[in-house]
Amino acid sequence: GQQLNQSPQSMFIQEGEDVSMNCTSSSIFNTWLWYKQDPGEGPVLLIALYKAGELTSNGRLTAQFGITRKDSFLNISASIPSDVGIYFCAGRFGNEKLTFGTGTRLTIIP
Amino acid sequence: KAGVTQTPRYLIKTRGQQVTLSCSPISGHRSVSWYQQTPGQGLQFLFEYFSETQRNKGNFPGRFSGRQFSNSRSEMNVSTLELGDSALYLCASSPTWSSSYEQYFGPGTRLTVT
Repeated sequence: GQQLNQSPQSMFIQEGEDVSMNCTSSSIFNTWLWYKQDPGEGPVLLIALYKAGELTSNGRLTAQFGITRKDSFLNISASIPSDVGIYFCAGRFGNEKLTFGTGTRLTIIP
Repeated sequence: KAGVTQTPRYLIKTRGQQVTLSCSPISGHRSVSWYQQTPGQGLQFLFEYFSETQRNKGNFPGRFSGRQFSNSRSEMNVSTLELGDSALYLCASSPTWSSSYEQYFGPGTRLTVT
């Protein structure tokens, strides 16, 4: 079945720094979604991507749908304390199930 | 527009019991998916329903079942609970059954099995 490798697993950064994370798949997707989850809550959708090469922004967040359709990237610029949490990528092909990455835990060092 | 709602938010059950969790999708959304989230296994797909029919199924034992009603509300049931079933159960809704639409999650039901 499809597998998603998300990296890095965790990040420790200082406030104001930029963040980059990525996901790679063993097979192609035609949808990539990025979510953020706070402890004890459900994931919140950040960005949705539907086309290879697509670059989409949501405030300080920018995500890209890789040209090969097997990867996606999320960047956060000028991190702030409320960016702390776990970020998940998710991909889907056709009507198959949505597959999630293992998550990237973002911690901001004071 | 109200988001996805899940009830109850917290639940404590004993091994061997059964449990039913409920999910109400965003108004107008007709597809509902269920996920199990544990620290060790991450987000694992359980099943997806659209128009009262199960469209996708994950790799979980038959103790896990679900259904969807004509108003798109969905329930999942776990019978003969095991300690390993302790997890956050998440429901997500989507306008339809297609990769062309994103999924929106509810807050989850925290199930603890003792």
